[in-house]
Amino acid sequence: EAQVTQNPRYLITVTGKKLTVTCSQNMNHEYMSWYRQDPGLGLRQIYYSMNVEVTDKGDVPEGYKVSRKEKRNFPLILESPSPNQTSLYFCASSFRRLGPGEQYFGPGTRLTVT
Amino acid sequence: GQQLNQSPQSMFIQEGEDVSMNCTSSSIFNTWLWYKQDPGEGPVLLIALYKAGELTSNGRLTAQFGITRKDSFLNISASIPSDVGIYFCAGTGTASKLTFGTGTRLQVTL
Repeated sequence: EAQVTQNPRYLITVTGKKLTVTCSQNMNHEYMSWYRQDPGLGLRQIYYSMNVEVTDKGDVPEGYKVSRKEKRNFPLILESPSPNQTSLYFCASSFRRLGPGEQYFGPGTRLTVT
Repeated sequence: GQQLNQSPQSMFIQEGEDVSMNCTSSSIFNTWLWYKQDPGEGPVLLIALYKAGELTSNGRLTAQFGITRKDSFLNISASIPSDVGIYFCAGTGTASKLTFGTGTRLQVTL
């Protein structure tokens, strides 16, 4: 089954404790992206990747890191999480080599930073 | 960054009614897309539009890419309870990223 998977689905952590949220897709998509969703703000893009070893900042990249060492995986890293990073996070991927195109979204990761 | 204004923010409608929502941008977009998000899940693509003036249907859903390339609308005909959810417009401009609107929450009463 074609899908985007994220782990963990739920995470509660404390300020400053490094964490990684994994994202994997099995559709051979070149383009992958991370979003955060907050009430009243819709989805805002954090980082995106056009292909392996190619990443770029989205609209809200501060406090986040990403890597794209393999085509199927695009982990999101929070080196020192803070409470303002409490949010619902989505990973997405698409076929469009030159742009985001029609994205497939993962099920989401709800992160709480205390 | 680019801003997308989506309206209305929320709608309460009765089953069987038609629904209309729209999205406007402060700048020209090359692609417009409409997504739906059910509770506890990620957004799912409903319709993608690639040309100014394009009108595309997907079952009871119809969406149009505005002629100015700065707006798009989504219509749902004869709404049913499973139409409940949050609808997002999204678009791409000159940058290789997708910008989302703030969403329209649709609730359907029997």
